[in-house]
Amino acid sequence: DAGVTQTPRHEVAEKGQTIILKCEPVSGHNDLFWYRQTKIQGLELLSYFRSKSLMEDGGAFKDRFKAEMLNSSFSTLKIQPTEPKDSAVYLCASSLAGGASAETLYFGSGTRLTVL
Amino acid sequence: QQKVQQSPESLSVPEGGMASFNCTSSDRNFQYFWWYRQHSGEGPKALMSIFSDGDKKEGRFTAHLNKASLHVSLHIRDSQPSDSALYFCAASDPYNTNTGKLTFGDGTVLTVKP
Repeated sequence: DAGVTQTPRHEVAEKGQTIILKCEPVSGHNDLFWYRQTKIQGLELLSYFRSKSLMEDGGAFKDRFKAEMLNSSFSTLKIQPTEPKDSAVYLCASSLAGGASAETLYFGSGTRLTVL
Repeated sequence: QQKVQQSPESLSVPEGGMASFNCTSSDRNFQYFWWYRQHSGEGPKALMSIFSDGDKKEGRFTAHLNKASLHVSLHIRDSQPSDSALYFCAASDPYNTNTGKLTFGDGTVLTVKP
């Protein structure tokens, strides 16, 4: 089975640009999460979807970060406008909520964003 | 307030040695725990979960949970250079279990020296 696929692997943006990160969850999973990872803050939850419905939208990230899930197999994270402090690794994860292994998150390899 | 605290921040063991990680929760609602491992350039990957008091063993990995003290540990015996990675403890409370929503610690960096 294919795992979680994230594109691109690397993204370089100028300050003020709009960038869109993409994620394809594991087929059949109905929970999807976006995390940001930095050395200082660790893993921070940005957004959480269940069956395409937005369940949680990280308060600190609401103003410039917008995650969407247009269908069960594709999600995007838009950052607009980007700032240098947004430089981080952005991770997408999915899980089979309600199943025997509902608790296990499957992560993609991440997108490393650098904002100049 | 960090709800899941990990120690140590970093750890170095010789090849073949034992690596031990600790994790403590400050939230009594957290009843279920996981260990994740992240190699450089990859996303975290689940190693094992533990929901009941006591030990759980999977190959070279043993997890121990004490719910009364909200403490969970992970031990890797016969450590290999390929075990060098960032190890996360993660926890959830029963209300959130079926959502997969986890709270992560800051991680412990393990270096296994040949």
